[in-house]
Amino acid sequence: DQQVKQNSPSLSVQEGRISILNCDYTNSMFDYFLWYKKYPAEGPTFLISISSIKDKNEDGRFTVFLNKSAKHLSLHIVPSQPGDSAVYFCAASGHNFNKFYFGSGTKLNVKP
Amino acid sequence: NAGVTQTPKFRILKIGQSMTLQCTQDMNHNYMYWYRQDPGMGLKLIYYSVGAGITDKGEVPNGYNVSRSTTEDFPLRLELAAPSQTSVYFCASSRDITNEKLFFGSGTQLSVL
Repeated sequence: DQQVKQNSPSLSVQEGRISILNCDYTNSMFDYFLWYKKYPAEGPTFLISISSIKDKNEDGRFTVFLNKSAKHLSLHIVPSQPGDSAVYFCAASGHNFNKFYFGSGTKLNVKP
Repeated sequence: NAGVTQTPKFRILKIGQSMTLQCTQDMNHNYMYWYRQDPGMGLKLIYYSVGAGITDKGEVPNGYNVSRSTTEDFPLRLELAAPSQTSVYFCASSRDITNEKLFFGSGTQLSVL
């Protein structure tokens, strides 16, 4: 039923180390994948995206990897910082962007 | 720059009451969305609009109504509130169909008791 799944509700990482957040999807028609970051009492904010024609996209400390055959994507944060502590949602969309499907989120805690 | 503004931030309703969640954006975006987030779940799309006068259902539209009379505003109406509508509601907007990035408001925490 849920087309986008984040199976780890929480992740704790030491400052300076790598954080790896995972996401799986079931619909092979999804073309675009996005990560959003959410702080308490705020709305999600866009972090990084990847198109299905790529397998990697980098933006500073954030890299998203896409494995289409496994229907799996991951977000790597290197090095992790305490300010990265937030809930991270992955989302997926088909070719037209009027419907996005979100995972349930992973709460990342980066310890100083 | 305000972006997407939602009001109210918090609301408690009694079963059977009605209310309207307000959403306005100042970015001249054509696409607007309403999502709800239940505890431990992802955001689920309630309704969306591709422009003034045009709305369509998302995944979970039952119990809700929307209208889009202007580009800026996209209110969500709850008629006959039920405990199952207890959730956090997010309004979002995006520029157009070629832009995948959503801009979200800060959310409305709604409890129906």
